[in-house]
Amino acid sequence: EVQLVESGGGLVQPGGSLRLSCAASGFIFNSYWMSWVRQAPGKGLEWVANIKHDGTEKYYVDSVKGRFTFSRDNAKNLLYLQMTSLRAEDTAVYYCARSGFRAFDQWGQGTLVTVSS
Amino acid sequence: DIQLTQSPSFLSASVGDRVTITCRASQGISSYLAWYQQKPGKAPNLLIYYASSLLSGVPSRFSGSGSGTEFTLTISSLQPEDFATYYCQQLNSYPVAFGQGTKVEFK
Repeated sequence: EVQLVESGGGLVQPGGSLRLSCAASGFIFNSYWMSWVRQAPGKGLEWVANIKHDGTEKYYVDSVKGRFTFSRDNAKNLLYLQMTSLRAEDTAVYYCARSGFRAFDQWGQGTLVTVSS
Repeated sequence: DIQLTQSPSFLSASVGDRVTITCRASQGISSYLAWYQQKPGKAPNLLIYYASSLLSGVPSRFSGSGSGTEFTLTISSLQPEDFATYYCQQLNSYPVAFGQGTKVEFK
């Protein structure tokens, strides 16, 4: 069974940093592109970033470029989203997702990040 | 950047109704469009990829069509478990984008 489990969310002050993790299991992790998607409270889905199966290509939405870094550890089946210079508008549930079938075919349950003083 | 516009944003329907949701892209995206269903407090679930391919395990009452800039998601006979929010997504080019969502509510 495919499982994606996010962790690391919490309350952080504006300007602060946080690192999210996503533990993957049940599939050949190093064969898949992976993604982060976020959803602000009561709002729609927003793609955040993609990473190639070997970590050599990464893409980000403009609003997080230079502040967020997406990485992966294929030996440990882990994804990381390092978030710095956090803003109130980064408050959201963050989902990791597997990129298969040219779509996001498996999702984690999400972790909530709240940026507030 | 490619923008996706879904219509309607809200839809009231009854069990058994045929429901159609439209997603329009600001420029051509071939068939690189997916549809997701999301229920409150839950992660989205993929329904359809490549515009019209039904993910294994998804009920056949769901179907997708279209290419280029106009796409539709159809639910042939709405069931109680289908009341949810539906999103389209383009994967033709970066940045990946989602539509704003269509909430299907009980009439």
